[in-house]
Amino acid sequence: AQSVSQHNHHVILSEAASLELGCNYSYGGTVNLFWYVQYPGQHLQLLLKYFSGDPLVKGIKGFEAEFIKSKFSFNLRKPSVQWSDTAEYFCAVTGFQKLVFGTGTRLLVSP
Amino acid sequence: DTAVSQTPKYLVTQMGNDKSIKCEQNLGHDTMYWYKQDSKKFLKIMFSYNNKELIINETVPNRFSPKSPDKAHLNLHINSLELGDSAVYFCASSQEGGFQETQYFGPGTRLLVL
Repeated sequence: AQSVSQHNHHVILSEAASLELGCNYSYGGTVNLFWYVQYPGQHLQLLLKYFSGDPLVKGIKGFEAEFIKSKFSFNLRKPSVQWSDTAEYFCAVTGFQKLVFGTGTRLLVSP
Repeated sequence: DTAVSQTPKYLVTQMGNDKSIKCEQNLGHDTMYWYKQDSKKFLKIMFSYNNKELIINETVPNRFSPKSPDKAHLNLHINSLELGDSAVYFCASSQEGGFQETQYFGPGTRLLVL
């Protein structure tokens, strides 16, 4: 069965700092990868997704993620975070019929 | 113009009670889901329905019974509530339920069992 690991449970950054959130998955077959974000008090929404092609995927709000197949990773990056990026970030993978989420990373950006 | 809506937003109840959570999507999607997010923010799928038919049932206790009267609605009924049922329950939908599809989530229902 597939699984997703997010090793950073809590990340605290100052505004303008660069962000990288780790995501590793375990699944032997073809995967589809997602990053979802949950802003305080709001529902989950899609940041970006990877299915095939260019392993560097650009999403909304300046986020990007790189799929490295050899490392089973799909890390999320942003060159310069803003206070409004404070949220919970979830990596997810589909391999067989369902979406499996990681445990999430809580990002706090201080002004 | 809410895409996926859930009611109620908050639900506080006593152990042993029976309660329902409703979900509706106006996106015209064929597939709907229920997820449970526990206190550690771990989000796990419970059920998925495609065109009113059960597709995924992730070994959820029989006390949980999803009902889909039509493809725009997927309600969750919980019998004999237990303390461990306290969580946030998210409804979601996608076009056809395929692996590459984006899922659209509702705002969540915060259930607290006392």
